[in-house]
Amino acid sequence: KAGVTQTPRYLIKTRGQQVTLSCSPISGHRSVSWYQQTPGQGLQFLFEYFSETQRNKGNFPGRFSGRQFSNSRSEMNVSTLELGDSALYLCASSLAAPLLAGGRQETQYFGPGTRLLVL
Amino acid sequence: TQLLEQSPQFLSIQEGENLTVYCNSSSVFSSLQWYRQEPGEGPVLLVTVVTGGEVKKLKRLTFQFGDARKDSSLHITAAQPGDTGLYLCAGAAMKTSYDKVIFGPGTSLSVIP
Repeated sequence: KAGVTQTPRYLIKTRGQQVTLSCSPISGHRSVSWYQQTPGQGLQFLFEYFSETQRNKGNFPGRFSGRQFSNSRSEMNVSTLELGDSALYLCASSLAAPLLAGGRQETQYFGPGTRLLVL
Repeated sequence: TQLLEQSPQFLSIQEGENLTVYCNSSSVFSSLQWYRQEPGEGPVLLVTVVTGGEVKKLKRLTFQFGDARKDSSLHITAAQPGDTGLYLCAGAAMKTSYDKVIFGPGTSLSVIP
């Protein structure tokens, strides 16, 4: 089975621009979560999508948005880029959800990430 | 507020040595996971612990979930260069307001040949 793929792997943008990142989950996985990873803040949850619906959202400004398509592929968009948006953006897929009933954690499979540099 | 704390932040040891890294919280967690992330890659799940006091072994790695489900440890025996990476713990807090997986800041391990 192919793993989670993310494109592009590297991206350089300037302040004020917008960017779209793409994630293709493992075949059969319907849940896609996005995370931002920086040296200072670690892995921070952005949002989670299931069946084209955003089910959960982290504490990020509205400049960060996402969507999921009928084939479970997902995109995230960051508008009006700021220097602080420079980070590794990771996408993770799971069968049904990162968290199941009773707080049981499902296995999340992470992609290699997109490294975004904002100049 | 950092729900999960990890220590040490950085660790550099010689090949063959033993080490323990810790994941602590003031919150009770339904379960905890440990991931390893190598440079240029995404995290890879190592183990999930769900029962207080649970111990799981994965070759030279031993994972323990605290009795109160507020902390966890990862012990590596006879570390090898291939163990180098960022070790992350991730938990699902039992508070109803937390309905997502939270990651700790990680322990960066370097094993020198």
